[in-house]
Amino acid sequence: GAVVSQHPSWVICKSGTSVKIECRSLDFQATTMFWYRQFPKQSLMLMATSNEGSKATYEQGVEKDKFLINHASLTLSTLTVTSAHPEDSSFYICSARDLRTENSPLHFGNGTRLTVT
Amino acid sequence: GENVEQHPSTLSVQEGDSAVIKCTYSDSASNYFPWYKQELGKRPQLIIDIRSNVGEKKDQRIAVTLNKTAKHFSLHITETQPEDSAVYFCAASPVSTGGFKTIFGAGTRLFVKA
Repeated sequence: GAVVSQHPSWVICKSGTSVKIECRSLDFQATTMFWYRQFPKQSLMLMATSNEGSKATYEQGVEKDKFLINHASLTLSTLTVTSAHPEDSSFYICSARDLRTENSPLHFGNGTRLTVT
Repeated sequence: GENVEQHPSTLSVQEGDSAVIKCTYSDSASNYFPWYKQELGKRPQLIIDIRSNVGEKKDQRIAVTLNKTAKHFSLHITETQPEDSAVYFCAASPVSTGGFKTIFGAGTRLFVKA
């Protein structure tokens, strides 16, 4: 089955620094990847859609200059949280679809738990 | 845009009993409805899905029903076991997004008591 790898699984950083999270599709090409954020005991909120070779599409209320997304290849998307603050602490999960299968479901990475001190 | 509502937020059942989780969606054109199970600190895992041209789908102890007219769909787990304890999310993929985006419900925390 389709596998999505996400790295790192957890990171602790100081306020004001930037953190990069990588998301890779291991056995399929993903022209589109999705980045979600999940606060404790809450649902998955779509932050942005990452498009290979073009700009990401951000959901309403998500600051594009704060959450930089780069989708440089068909298997890699990165999310950079810039100038992180404690309120950015959350669980970030990427996902992708294997479009070789019609109406295929989302396959999620393992997630990255970000703690900003 | 699409809005998915999920109930209940918490559900506690005795081992062996059935559990039912219900969701409604707002975009009548949505055509794909997956259900995910998420254990603490882990990624969501697809457990079953249903497409708008089907009314019911079953996979062993898990079944999903879809009522397009009422715009609601439900997850049914029979003969629950302690390992079924997790958070369950329903979701919908609006046709308006080319079926690309997946919008999640708020989640149901299921406790199965041994």
